[in-house]
Amino acid sequence: GIQVEQSPPDLILQEGANSTLRCNFSDSVNNLQWFHQNPWGQLINLFYIPSGTKQNGRLSATTVATERYSLLYISSSQTTDSGVYFCAVSFNDYKLSFGAGTTVTVRA
Amino acid sequence: EPEVTQTPSHQVTQMGQEVILRCVPISNHLYFYWYRQILGQKVEFLVSFYNNEISEKSEIFDDQFSVERPDGSNFTLKIRSTKLEDSAMYFCASSGPGVGYSKDPAQHFGDGTRLSIL
Repeated sequence: GIQVEQSPPDLILQEGANSTLRCNFSDSVNNLQWFHQNPWGQLINLFYIPSGTKQNGRLSATTVATERYSLLYISSSQTTDSGVYFCAVSFNDYKLSFGAGTTVTVRA
Repeated sequence: EPEVTQTPSHQVTQMGQEVILRCVPISNHLYFYWYRQILGQKVEFLVSFYNNEISEKSEIFDDQFSVERPDGSNFTLKIRSTKLEDSAMYFCASSGPGVGYSKDPAQHFGDGTRLSIL
């Protein structure tokens, strides 16, 4: 199956800081999604982004499919951004393969 | 925005018992999935379901597990003879076909059922 690697594994930020999370994948994909898992365990859809760039408020994401990576940008971080960020990919078989996640802690 | 709903939110069961986890996918979606997440680990695919049959399953999804769409709205995961290692968060997800009727290829996840086996 497709291997997904996320970096860094842990990130500690001061409120207001910007950050970049990376997702590398081992093969071609036609589905890439970013999720935020909040402290209650809910998986929140952030982006469906198999290619290109999207923005949603303080969050944006870019996927360069030809180079097999995706980046998630968090700007002006807030304490509510804390949690685990997962990248998940698939190619034609619909099942998503998840990375191990990046744990983000935003301190006030 | 339409969402996937899962019940119960938390299920506590004695080892060896059977449990049924329930999900109501988004109404115009055609693909349904179950994933699980053991505490502190990444999310793992269990099974996908389309056109009233399993389209793919992982090695985890052995004879202990079964899925069913008993009516037009519910999608269930049954776990027989539960074991301690079945303790996990179980997520249901759904997606459209990506073209035509429901062009929504993104998978939408429910809030999960936390299953605790004692």
